[in-house]
Amino acid sequence: DVKVTQSSRYLVKRTGEKVFLECVQDMDHENMFWYRQDPGLGLRLIYFSYDVKMKEKGDIPEGYSVSREKKERFSLILESASTNQTSMYLCASRKGDRTDTQYFGPGTRLTVL
Amino acid sequence: GQQLNQSPQSMFIQEGEDVSMNCTSSSIFNTWLWYKQDPGEGPVLLIALYKAGELTSNGRLTAQFGITRKDSFLNISASIPSDVGIYFCAGHPLNRDDKIIFGKGTRLHILP
Repeated sequence: DVKVTQSSRYLVKRTGEKVFLECVQDMDHENMFWYRQDPGLGLRLIYFSYDVKMKEKGDIPEGYSVSREKKERFSLILESASTNQTSMYLCASRKGDRTDTQYFGPGTRLTVL
Repeated sequence: GQQLNQSPQSMFIQEGEDVSMNCTSSSIFNTWLWYKQDPGEGPVLLIALYKAGELTSNGRLTAQFGITRKDSFLNISASIPSDVGIYFCAGHPLNRDDKIIFGKGTRLHILP
């Protein structure tokens, strides 16, 4: 069974704090993704990564950065959290081809006060 | 950027009713996917479609890849309480196998 885990289910931070969201997958997948989910807006892609040390901007990368030092781990970083980054963050991974299933983690609900 | 128009936004149905939802795009998609998200969880893939005209079933769920490659629908027959959740359509735009575009979701409520 593919497993995608996220470091926290719930997180509360203050404006201006640096925030790290961690995602780990255990199936040797090449591709990993970070989305945010907001009511009425669906899932929006923040960043994705094809392989170790590679990253590509998604549709809404502003205010975020990512790190992929190891194949199984993809981190999302909020350099200086703001209240408009309060959201549900979902990590996903996929083997490598569009016909491969994209598996999601359980999500991290981040609140920025 | 590219968008998917998913409708309806929400549905209130009686247990046992059939459900239909659809997704349209202004541009061609290579792949259509349907996901379901239960409360407090990440989305889980229900059905994947890879060829225009393809009709695929997964239990009580049936989905089709539109002939024009710009639309897809999902039907759920004889709904049960555990069908409650948010259903997302998604797909790979033409020549973009790397990223998936998601619809905004259809929230399904089942009345007792």
